[in-house]
Amino acid sequence: KAGVTQTPRYLIKTRGQQVTLSCSPISGHRSVSWYQQTPGQGLQFLFEYFSETQRNKGNFPGRFSGRQFSNSRSEMNVSTLELGDSALYLCASSASGGYNEQFFGPGTRLTVL
Amino acid sequence: ELKVEQNPLFLSMQEGKNYTIYCNYSTTSDRLYWYRQDPGKSLESLFVLLSNGAVKQEGRLMASLDTKARLSTLHITAAVHDLSATYFCAVDIGTNAGKSTFGDGTTLTVKP
Repeated sequence: KAGVTQTPRYLIKTRGQQVTLSCSPISGHRSVSWYQQTPGQGLQFLFEYFSETQRNKGNFPGRFSGRQFSNSRSEMNVSTLELGDSALYLCASSASGGYNEQFFGPGTRLTVL
Repeated sequence: ELKVEQNPLFLSMQEGKNYTIYCNYSTTSDRLYWYRQDPGKSLESLFVLLSNGAVKQEGRLMASLDTKARLSTLHITAAVHDLSATYFCAVDIGTNAGKSTFGDGTTLTVKP
């Protein structure tokens, strides 16, 4: 089974721009979660989608948004980028969330200049 | 708000030695996960612990969960250099499926 894939793997943007990151879950998985990892704040939960609906949301400003498509692929968007948005963005998929194990993708490294 | 604390945050070990990483969490949960992360890489799932008293072992690593004490441990036996990595514990609560709260990670360095 193919693992979780994320594109692009690396991105460089400037302040004020917006960015869209993509995540394709493991085939058959319906839950996709997004996390931000930074040296200062560690791993923080952004949001989780299940069957095209946002099921959980972390404590991030509204500039961070996401969606999930009918094939379970998910995108997250960050508008009006700030320097502090530089991070590794990880997505994880699981069969249904809950007691199911999450499998993480390789991540997208975003650098904001 | 759920808080997850790991200690130690940094651990330097000699090969062949044993050590334990501790993960405490602040709210009742029966789902705890351990992950490994190599530098510049993503997270690799090591263990999923779903009930009080759960114990799982894989090679030189053994994880346990005490939900009453809100404590999980990751025990390393006879460490080898290949175990050098950062280890995270993470906890889910209630119906917040797919929303894990992570500890700060323990960076383990195993020296020859």
